[in-house]
Amino acid sequence: GAGVSQSPSNKVTEKGKDVELRCDPISGHTALYWYRQSLGQGLEFLIYFQGNSAPDKSGLPSDRFSAERTGGSVSTLTIQRTQQEDSAVYLCASSLALASGNEQFFGPGTRLTVL
Amino acid sequence: AQSVAQPEDQVNVAEGNPLTVKCTYSVSGNPYLFWYVQYPNRGLQFLLKYITGDNLVKGSYGFEAEFNKSQTSFHLKKPSALVSDSALYFCAVRDEKGGSYIPTFGRGTSLIVHP
Repeated sequence: GAGVSQSPSNKVTEKGKDVELRCDPISGHTALYWYRQSLGQGLEFLIYFQGNSAPDKSGLPSDRFSAERTGGSVSTLTIQRTQQEDSAVYLCASSLALASGNEQFFGPGTRLTVL
Repeated sequence: AQSVAQPEDQVNVAEGNPLTVKCTYSVSGNPYLFWYVQYPNRGLQFLLKYITGDNLVKGSYGFEAEFNKSQTSFHLKKPSALVSDSALYFCAVRDEKGGSYIPTFGRGTSLIVHP
């Protein structure tokens, strides 16, 4: 079956512009995560959605970052007034409900370059 | 609180030799432990996990990992390395009693298998 998909695969933007990154999780997966991976760094947690519960936004680095998940499926990560330090690969992951230790399934990522 | 450490940034091994990628963790309750692999320009791919039961866990591509509670470790192993195993490997932990459904990832270990 289809895995997690993300679009675009690459995004180049100018400093100060807004960008939207999209994630399509695996059908039936109630949990959805956004991570950021910078060169030479591990995974930095950004935000987590679980079903209809309020999202856990504790990892968002600033108020320029926001995300929404519509209808419990597709999610969009928005970065406003992009800065050069926002350049990174943004990864989305989905999973079944986590109470039983289910693993995450990752998308291929969106490589964001802010000039 | 939960944390995970991958003490080696890079592991070098000759093809055909056994390989070990180290991971140690810290949790308050019981751990859920995961290994993921990331090939160049790809998202993370699940390899194996320990939730409960047998301490030796077998996963994809001939990899296995041993849960050692006394040493709080979950090292990834393979009896005979292949050049195609060269990739970035991430260990992750989630505390069963932590109340958070957000796994913590290590910084990653780059595995290089030489022909």
